[in-house]
Amino acid sequence: TQLLEQSPQFLSIQEGENLTVYCNSSSVFSSLQWYRQEPGEGPVLLVTVVTGGEVKKLKRLTFQFGDARKDSSLHITAAQPGDTGLYLCAGARTGGTSYGKLTFGQGTILTVHP
Amino acid sequence: ETGVTQSPTHLIKTRGQQVTLRCSSQSGHNTVSWYQQALGQGPQFIFQYYREEENGRGNFPPRFSGLQFPNYSSELNVNALELDDSALYLCASSPPQGYNEQFFGPGTRLTVL
Repeated sequence: TQLLEQSPQFLSIQEGENLTVYCNSSSVFSSLQWYRQEPGEGPVLLVTVVTGGEVKKLKRLTFQFGDARKDSSLHITAAQPGDTGLYLCAGARTGGTSYGKLTFGQGTILTVHP
Repeated sequence: ETGVTQSPTHLIKTRGQQVTLRCSSQSGHNTVSWYQQALGQGPQFIFQYYREEENGRGNFPPRFSGLQFPNYSSELNVNALELDDSALYLCASSPPQGYNEQFFGPGTRLTVL
């Protein structure tokens, strides 16, 4: 059972275009993290969002956590070839057997062409 | 500040063998989690260690086991390897406080033939 659904699975765009990646769940998360992963390497943490409705910006990347803390989005403005990679969202829940476990989406493979 | 390190980088084993993967946590981090990432998929949680004890486990059989040492480093052991165990194994460490932020190592690529 995939608790976190990411869309789209693949995204191929030209340099300069904008894009949005979505991460949806029927479960509530105490926090949600976005990672970027390059081939053969581990995921690199981009941001953690904690509060419902929270918006965080990291240069050209804007992250939003849904009001109900069940969904999130990543928006990239004026994409560059260096943004190419696998983008992963991961949710964390506190308490019980879920504590400490990050549930990942299946990822979005982004390719930005020069 | 040294990040999370893992060894070895790559490993090739045959079915039925046993393997041990190692992880050194980031400085100041006392919690270590292990994940399995199959090709083209997101990482799947195996288990987490805190204060040298298992603190949560995902849907993995008992032949996946682990250890955490007093210096917070950790090992992942897999017995009776199966072909489906071929994957990238990721270790992540977390600081004592925070929102369960996890910082990943580069991973160990395991191939089972």
